[in-house]
Amino acid sequence: NAGVTQTPKFRILKIGQSMTLQCAQDMNHNYMYWYRQDPGMGLKLIYYSVGAGITDKGEVPNGYNVSRSTTEDFPLRLELAAPSQTSVYFCASRNTGGENIQYFGAGTRLSVL
Amino acid sequence: AQSVAQPEDQVNVAEGNPLTVKCTYSVSGNPYLFWYVQYPNRGLQFLLKYITGDNLVKGSYGFEAEFNKSQTSFHLKKPSALVSDSALYFCAVRVTGANNLFFGTGTRLTVIP
Repeated sequence: NAGVTQTPKFRILKIGQSMTLQCAQDMNHNYMYWYRQDPGMGLKLIYYSVGAGITDKGEVPNGYNVSRSTTEDFPLRLELAAPSQTSVYFCASRNTGGENIQYFGAGTRLSVL
Repeated sequence: AQSVAQPEDQVNVAEGNPLTVKCTYSVSGNPYLFWYVQYPNRGLQFLLKYITGDNLVKGSYGFEAEFNKSQTSFHLKKPSALVSDSALYFCAVRVTGANNLFFGTGTRLTVIP
């Protein structure tokens, strides 16, 4: 059981470039989340989705976009990368109801130079 | 508004001694409380949760946490620390009806051999 898979693990971008961070889960979870983790700041929610075709903003959505065309996949798009987006990005998923536990991927470390 | 505070950035404890990692919360409804652990270059892993019922919650790897409603706290404890417990620990809160977690800023636990 792979759980939550994130690709790539590392990436360096130049200012103004764009990229998509991939996230896939094989647990048939309805809820999926994108967080960013900055030193000393904990995790901040960027976007989340409660099911295919439904997405909503979190605390820090500016500069990002998401889509959810399938239950399994929840990609995060950076259109015009900025140094402030240098961070570690985590994707998570959880089931509806049940134990309310979020399961996390291993993260993508992004540097924007 | 929901918030979580972890007042200590760093906790050092000798191997074999008891450990406590502190967490306090502020919510406008009934809280769901969680502890997650993060090892280097890994995603967050679920340790334990409090939803309702017994105030003392037991979780993975010998950890436990006590929910104290009057003090709005949910401190993580372990009777005897292991070097392998050294990691970054996050407290998180969710209220009924909300879709996402709010995380504290994390506490780095170092267990000294």
